[in-house]
This record gives sequence, structure tokens and C-alpha cells, in this order.
Amino acid sequence: DFVMTQSPDSLAVSLGERATIRCKSSQSVLYSSNNMNHLSWYQQKPGQPPKLLIYWASTRESGVPDRFSGSGSGTDFTLTISSLQAEDVAVYYCQQYYSSPYTFGQGTRLEIK
Amino acid sequence: QVYLVESGGGLVKPGGSLRLSCAASGFTFNDYYMIWIRQAPGKGLEWLSYISGSGDTISYADSVKGRFTISRDNAKNSVYLQMDSLTAEDTAVYYCARAAFMIRRVMAYWGQGTLVTVSS
Repeated sequence: DFVMTQSPDSLAVSLGERATIRCKSSQSVLYSSNNMNHLSWYQQKPGQPPKLLIYWASTRESGVPDRFSGSGSGTDFTLTISSLQAEDVAVYYCQQYYSSPYTFGQGTRLEIK
Repeated sequence: QVYLVESGGGLVKPGGSLRLSCAASGFTFNDYYMIWIRQAPGKGLEWLSYISGSGDTISYADSVKGRFTISRDNAKNSVYLQMDSLTAEDTAVYYCARAAFMIRRVMAYWGQGTLVTVSS
């Protein structure tokens, strides 16, 4: 199985500052047939279901603010929030959808400093 | 808008069974893969299973293979998860999700979840 490891486990960032969350896959999620990284990011606020933020590693889902961006390829990926807002307090998960089982990272808890 | 409403959760004894349902609306149901995911209390997310729009393609995580069965009724716009031989490790909130358009393994919409508690 693919093991997805996120860092850090928790993060405190001041309002308006940049937040960076990393995700490392135990194997490459770059699919040669379409040259796409099968990696998505989800945001889960307290008491709510997860929400899709980014897929194909860097494509923002419709309606997601452009302060959220994804980057990376192969085994190393990053979710960046360019200017943290209060409503961004949540747990963030990466997930690979390259190979079943479609495993998630353990989550990164993002708080306001 | 897309709506997904799970039901059927509750308290069940170890070794027991439960059938979860997910009622969908706001989209052409049989065009989309549907997915079940769970989250144990205070823990992360675990992908469980998906089913294609026609129902002819199904996949399971090893942790539930042979115990859980996913199915759908396109006439009722519903997807189901039959859970047998439950153990305490199956205690979790169970979410159903709709796949993204043309990306069957990305969960674009989620329900609010239903809690399953396995305890004697």
C-alpha cells in the first residue's frame, strides 16, 4: 500500500501569513499514461465532513479561494495557503488516488498563532 | 446543489451487521462513481469502497473486503454499504461521497456522515 506522510502534524500560523503543509508518498503517484499526479487535498473543519480543495496535485476545485495552491510531483507535494484567514482553521489531508487502497495522510492540524 | 444524506448508523454488538444508506440528489446519479469513507473517533480518513455508476465496477479496501458489500439502486438514487462481522475497530463516522466528474477516485461531494458504534 502507498503510505502518505504529512508534515508537520500541527502548525500554528499568524493571520495573513503563509502556511505550508507537506505530503510525501512512499511511491510515485505520477501516472505515466496521462503525466498527471494522482494526489488530492481535503480540508476538514471541526464537526464537518471533508471538503475537496485540490486534485491532480495542483488543480483547485471550483469555488476554492485562490490563496490555496498545490504543487509537487512524483512523491513530494505541498499545499500552500498564501495568506491565512481565520476560516482556514482545519485539519488538512492529502490523498493518493493512484492505486487502491486510496490512502490518506494522517492529517495536519492548522491553527491560528 | 448536490445533496448526500447518510442513514442507518447506530449501536451494534460485535459480530453484528448494519446496512448504511446514502440518498443522493441534485445530479444525475447513475453518471457518477460513489464512494464510502470512514473516520474513527479523533482519527484520520480511511477510504473503504467505490462503485461505478452502472454498478459493474467495485473495489474495496483490504480492511473491509469480505465483510462489507457496496451496492446501489439507481432508480432510488441511493448507494448502500452492508457491513457484516463488525468489530470495535469498525466504530467510526461513515461518509458517502460522490466522485468528481471524470475522476472516479476523487471525492468531490460528501455527506454529513452517520456514526456506527460497535460495542457490547
